[in-house]
Amino acid sequence: DVKVTQSSRYLVKRTGEKVFLECVQDMDHENMFWYRQDPGLGLRLIYFSYDVKMKEKGDIPEGYSVSREKKERFSLILESASTNQTSMYLCASGTSVSLTYEQYFGPGTRLTVT
Amino acid sequence: AQKITQTQPGMFVQEKEAVTLDCTYDTSDPSYGLFWYKQPSSGEMIFLIYQGSYDQQNATEGRYSLNFQKARKSANLVISASQLGDSAMYFCAMRYTGRRALTFGSGTRLQVQP
Repeated sequence: DVKVTQSSRYLVKRTGEKVFLECVQDMDHENMFWYRQDPGLGLRLIYFSYDVKMKEKGDIPEGYSVSREKKERFSLILESASTNQTSMYLCASGTSVSLTYEQYFGPGTRLTVT
Repeated sequence: AQKITQTQPGMFVQEKEAVTLDCTYDTSDPSYGLFWYKQPSSGEMIFLIYQGSYDQQNATEGRYSLNFQKARKSANLVISASQLGDSAMYFCAMRYTGRRALTFGSGTRLQVQP
């Protein structure tokens, strides 16, 4: 079974702190994604990576950066956390560029910025 | 722009009855894939079913089926014989040529009543 793990289920941080969210997948997938989930808005893509050290901005990249130094690990970084970044963050991974492939999701990190 | 619309924020259904969750999409790309995911209260995203734009038959997976009407650009999820464990958020998503990530709708919260 594909396994995608995220470093924390719940996280509370203060405004202005630097926040790291870690994601690890064990299926050698080349693609990894960070989504943000908010009520009424569904999931929105923040960043994705298609290879080590390769990344592309998604639909809402402002205030975020990412790092992928190893194929299995994809980190989301909030350089200076703000209250409007309070949200559920979901990591996903997937293989190939075929339209048919599904994405596998981690359990999510619920981040609260106070 | 590619867009997924789920117009039902919440739905109720009686146990053992069938329920249809609506999804419409907007794309000018002739090649695309449509996905449905389930998100229980625990937060993980569970892949349910996939439909390709060129598939002639409607997709089915156990109690899940997809009512695909290409001309109307709709991909409704039908759950037959609802169970209490079906209570969850349900997301419709699309992938189109050239985009590795999924584009999600806003979701429908389904509550199955005994």
